[in-house]
Amino acid sequence: DGGITQSPKYLFRKEGQNVTLSCEQNLNHDAMYWYRQDPGQGLRLIYYSQIVNDFQKGDIAEGYSVSREKKESFPLTVTSAQKNPTAFYLCATNRGGYTDTQYFGPGTRLTVL
Amino acid sequence: DQQVKQNSPSLSVQEGRISILNCDYTNSMFDYFLWYKKYPAEGPTFLISISSIKDKNEDGRFTVFLNKSAKHLSLHIVPSQPGDSAVYFCAARGMSGAGNMLTFGGGTRLMVKP
Repeated sequence: DGGITQSPKYLFRKEGQNVTLSCEQNLNHDAMYWYRQDPGQGLRLIYYSQIVNDFQKGDIAEGYSVSREKKESFPLTVTSAQKNPTAFYLCATNRGGYTDTQYFGPGTRLTVL
Repeated sequence: DQQVKQNSPSLSVQEGRISILNCDYTNSMFDYFLWYKKYPAEGPTFLISISSIKDKNEDGRFTVFLNKSAKHLSLHIVPSQPGDSAVYFCAARGMSGAGNMLTFGGGTRLMVKP
């Protein structure tokens, strides 16, 4: 059963704690992306990775970190330096070609209390 | 500075009628455009795309029109169905940044009334 898995669906953390969001894919896609969606707003790119062991900052990378040690996995850590971490986080993948469609996971709703 | 804008935050349409969702962009380097549909608390799903070498692409009830001179694209849904009620995002891709990076508009919430 191919697809993109994000876990957990809902996540609660206390202010000041780091938290890691999981994104796993078995589509054999080279490129992976993390987006953030805030209420009433579009998707904003946090980080992306076009190949294993390489990743680049997106438009809003401050307060976030990522790793890409395996092709299948692209975890996102929301650090205590992120000033407004409460949001809906979406992971996406594609094969890496210029016109390849990005496919999205189901998302994780992070709430920082 | 939003490079992709969806100026209508919401749109209400009667079932069976046409829905027209609009999107404007400012970056002339964009040459590939996509529309995604999103339900609450779910990831967006791809609907339809268009390359800048075309001015129209059709897939069933969905048609995307591109006007490059006006830097404007639109998504037409005919006929509209209640299940089409969702938030629709347009996205653009271009060679100005990372090759596969998408820039998204703010979304338009479509409500189709039975």
